[in-house]
Amino acid sequence: DSGVTQTPKHLITATGQRVTLRCSPRSGDLSVYWYQQSLDQGLQFLIQYYNGEERAKGNILERFSAQQFPDLHSELNLSSLELGDSALYFCASSVEAGRISGANVLTFGAGSRLTVL
Amino acid sequence: AQKITQTQPGMFVQEKEAVTLDCTYDTSDPSYGLFWYKQPSSGEMIFLIYQGSYDQQNATEGRYSLNFQKARKSANLVISASQLGDSAMYFCAMREGQSTGKLIFGQGTTLQVKP
Repeated sequence: DSGVTQTPKHLITATGQRVTLRCSPRSGDLSVYWYQQSLDQGLQFLIQYYNGEERAKGNILERFSAQQFPDLHSELNLSSLELGDSALYFCASSVEAGRISGANVLTFGAGSRLTVL
Repeated sequence: AQKITQTQPGMFVQEKEAVTLDCTYDTSDPSYGLFWYKQPSSGEMIFLIYQGSYDQQNATEGRYSLNFQKARKSANLVISASQLGDSAMYFCAMREGQSTGKLIFGQGTTLQVKP
């Protein structure tokens, strides 16, 4: 157990629907990162939150949004789902406090596998 | 432009032998970090080893070592004494600069260990 909890583990839904993926970071970690892993695109960085604020943005579609709550858990909302959104969605967390000088290793959750039919 | 390149989609190695997985990177930032992660068939991402751009020594963690050649911009992972449990996908990743911990990943290399 990595300490990063993601729910649900599996999700099957239809095109056009909306889903919410949830992530609880490891105790003490302030940063949460979302990644999408698909066969054709590999591991793509979506977005990062640090202590409730957006810190970095990657290739996140406008149909997708995320937020980090005061208790530091994060949610990734995916709307108007398309077949191509089927993927494994990872959440990772790290300590990241200000200017990064060390490893700041990202610890990954087990992932949420989304299937859009 | 691809920032992290792993040119070996698949590799085979005999059990108990050593194997090197290649990774090259591209950045103009003098401060960066290089990471290797392992993804077994079960799907989780497991951190293996880290090398900072200013580190003078190559990083080692048990059977894993990172062959860091800064001038060549390469950060190859060496696994010694391969075990059947090493069969997995291996990802090289880079963090650029110091303002965010986000990692950019390569496409991965699938390693199969033969008995």
